[in-house]
Amino acid sequence: QVTLKESGTGILQPSQALSLTCSFSGFSLSTTGICVSWIRQPSGKGLEWLADICWDDGKGYNPSLKNRLSISKDTSNNQAFLKITSVDTADTATYYCARSPFTIAAMWDYWGQGVMVTVSS
Amino acid sequence: EIVLTQSPTTMAASPGEKVTLTCRASSSVSYMHWYQQRSGTSPKLWIYETSKLASGVPNRFSGSGSGTSYSLTINSMETEDAATYYCQQGSSYPWTFGGGTKLELK
Repeated sequence: QVTLKESGTGILQPSQALSLTCSFSGFSLSTTGICVSWIRQPSGKGLEWLADICWDDGKGYNPSLKNRLSISKDTSNNQAFLKITSVDTADTATYYCARSPFTIAAMWDYWGQGVMVTVSS
Repeated sequence: EIVLTQSPTTMAASPGEKVTLTCRASSSVSYMHWYQQRSGTSPKLWIYETSKLASGVPNRFSGSGSGTSYSLTINSMETEDAATYYCQQGSSYPWTFGGGTKLELK
């Protein structure tokens, strides 16, 4: 059974760094083709893909935030991490981690419950 | 970046009604995926690689399309289908989502 769960700072002030952890089970980030992604959703709005990290340590970032994002993993402990620097109110959102299986076109078949992050002074 | 435009933004359908949601891409993509999101919950993969139903998805749902035009169809609307549906392309970085179609029960 595949599960993912996000955790991290709930409330931050502008200019601080946001650190998020995705703890997962039921699969391994050492399996060929598997990636874990971070996706966010401001309240009442749509979905935005942020970053991927894959089994081979390959990484992908959304160019709109690339300079502020850093994704990493701890394969042994089944965790993936996302750091966003210099947050502002526009980063207020629910942040999801999701598994991307080995497919023809990237998609996400399992999602975490999400963690709500608020940036406010 | 490939921009996905969904239409309509919001619609209401009666039980038993046929529903078609549309997703148009700014450039050609190989496949389209669709997600269902009910209020207060995480998105769920609903249709993948344009026309394949994810596990547990009722067969009243179908997907079709190619190039820059894709659609999700519900053959006969049911109460539980009320949700927001997002299309997503995974053919070209950065991966992008459409703005969503909110489907309500009439």
